[in-house]
Amino acid sequence: AQKVTQAQTEISVVEKEDVTLDCVYETRDTTYYLFWYKQPPSGELVFLIRRNSFDEQNEISGRYSWNFQKSTSSFNFTITASQVVDSAVYFCALSQETSGSRLTFGEGTQLTVNP
Amino acid sequence: DTAVSQTPKYLVTQMGNDKSIKCEQNLGHDTMYWYKQDSKKFLKIMFSYNNKELIINETVPNRFSPKSPDKAHLNLHINSLELGDSAVYFCASSPQGTSGPTNEQFFGPGTRLTVL
Repeated sequence: AQKVTQAQTEISVVEKEDVTLDCVYETRDTTYYLFWYKQPPSGELVFLIRRNSFDEQNEISGRYSWNFQKSTSSFNFTITASQVVDSAVYFCALSQETSGSRLTFGEGTQLTVNP
Repeated sequence: DTAVSQTPKYLVTQMGNDKSIKCEQNLGHDTMYWYKQDSKKFLKIMFSYNNKELIINETVPNRFSPKSPDKAHLNLHINSLELGDSAVYFCASSPQGTSGPTNEQFFGPGTRLTVL
């Protein structure tokens, strides 16, 4: 069975604050993939990152960074110096090798960045 | 040059009607999916097709029937629509890896279905 938990339903910050979105996953597979997607108010799903289970290196892309820790089954996402345009629902997702290519999504975290 | 397209974008209909949502991808991918996003934003897979063959069929009512005329198209037909079918439906596709579909998924813009 595979499961993704995003315990933070809603987060509200003021512009320029740093914010971390938590993601905890469960899987019995040794080979799996983790993803983050952004869903802005316009509704489309925007791919942000994919990591495989063998690559625990943290990744930074501009103001975005991801911290993958297998020991705690977490794949957290940090936005540095948040901006109003970052306001969106963010989804963490998991795909495991034995379940084909389906994505199992977390419940999502609604991030609101206030000016 | 849209990668994954869905039509219509919005669909408003009465309970009991039958409706279809179309999905097309021009990425040359072999695998396509339908996901449902409910009113609480929860996203869940419904179906997956690989080269026109059904490979994932989650616990979805029989009123939902996917149809894949070719590997670039995956349509979703819904019979006898119910209020609870109101949701956003996302189509997605993924390329083939060496041992099956890879895990990259490219999503369409979504179709918002409202059943009155």
